[in-house]
Amino acid sequence: DAGVIQSPRHEVTEMGQEVTLRCKPISGHNSLFWYRQTMMRGLELLIYFNNNVPIDDSGMPEDRFSAKMPNASFSTLKIQPSEPRDSAVYFCASSAQGGRQYFGPGTRLTVT
Amino acid sequence: QQQVKQSPQSLIVQKGGISIINCAYENTAFDYFPWYQQFPGKGPALLIAIRPDVSEKKEGRFTISFNKSAKQFSLHIMDSQPGDSATYFCAASISNSGYALNFGKGTSLLVTP
Repeated sequence: DAGVIQSPRHEVTEMGQEVTLRCKPISGHNSLFWYRQTMMRGLELLIYFNNNVPIDDSGMPEDRFSAKMPNASFSTLKIQPSEPRDSAVYFCASSAQGGRQYFGPGTRLTVT
Repeated sequence: QQQVKQSPQSLIVQKGGISIINCAYENTAFDYFPWYQQFPGKGPALLIAIRPDVSEKKEGRFTISFNKSAKQFSLHIMDSQPGDSATYFCAASISNSGYALNFGKGTSLLVTP
């Protein structure tokens, strides 16, 4: 099994640009989570899906952030427009029933 | 606000020593308490987890101690090795809420040779 796949691994963009992060969960997993990691705030849950349906998006910082899961094997996190304070490592994780979450390698986003 | 408080922020232990990391929580609805290990440039990986119906769980050199009344839990790493040098995160979640994780701020562990 390839594990959770995230792309791109690194993204550098200018303030105001649109950024799209992608995630492919482990096959058969029915829950998908997006987290953000920064030195100041640590690891924060942004949003999670169960069976492709968004369940809790209370962690999404503001309307500039949106996430979709059009099918069981793909999810996107979009930031539009991006700002320097969005610079962070964004992780996607997936799980089957029972709690254990498998994290992807992360996308390091730098907004200049 | 941080729902799970973790200490210390950093820890240096000699090889062969015991590493102890502590966490505390307030929400009594939490019913799943995992510890994750993260190496630089990698995603967190589950190390060990406990549910509140037991007070201790051991897997190899790693032990979780859980005190439900005090709302505290801790990770003990016995016979610490240089390869254990990493950042450790405690977390808490609610099974009825999909197990979305509330993380502590992390502890950077350095095991010296």
